[in-house]
Amino acid sequence: EAQVTQNPRYLITVTGKKLTVTCSQNMNHEYMSWYRQDPGLGLRQIYYSMNVEVTDKGDVPEGYKVSRKEKRNFPLILESPSPNQTSLYFCASSLLAGQAIYGYTFGSGTRLTVV
Amino acid sequence: AQSVTQLDSQVPVFEEAPVELRCNYSSSVSVYLFWYVQYPNQGLQLLLKYLSGSTLVKGINGFEAEFNKSQTSFHLRKPSVHISDTAEYFCAVSSGTYKYIFGTGTRLKVLA
Repeated sequence: EAQVTQNPRYLITVTGKKLTVTCSQNMNHEYMSWYRQDPGLGLRQIYYSMNVEVTDKGDVPEGYKVSRKEKRNFPLILESPSPNQTSLYFCASSLLAGQAIYGYTFGSGTRLTVV
Repeated sequence: AQSVTQLDSQVPVFEEAPVELRCNYSSSVSVYLFWYVQYPNQGLQLLLKYLSGSTLVKGINGFEAEFNKSQTSFHLRKPSVHISDTAEYFCAVSSGTYKYIFGTGTRLKVLA
């Protein structure tokens, strides 16, 4: 089954404790992206990657890191989480048509709470 | 710069009635357009997309959308809604340079 797998689904952590949210896709998609979803603010892009070893900042990259060492994996790293990073996070992947995104497949989401 | 506007934040409609969710975009170049649905506690699911060709696009669950280039719109329609269509719907646009913009979403509430 074609899918994007995120783990964990739920995470409660303390301020300053490094964490990683994993994302993996099995569709051989070139493009992968992380979004956060907050009430009233919609979906905001954190980082994206067009291919292995190629990443770029989205609209809200501060406080986050990513890496793309393999095509299928795109982990999101919070080096020192803060309460304002409490949010619902989604990983998504897509084929590319030139530089246009062909249509996302989303993961099920990770609900992160930082206390 | 691209932008996407979903004019209605909430749309209540009675079961079996028709519904239209509005989406307008702005872009100086050709675009791909998308609608997604998000059910409670789930990720987003692609409903339909316009890439090229026919301006009337049919998607899953009986939804359809029409691309109107002159009005820069991509409204989503369904002739008869069900309770199970209650969800949040997002319009999105992609126009190259790896950018993908989502609208702020429209909550569809289907009433019995």
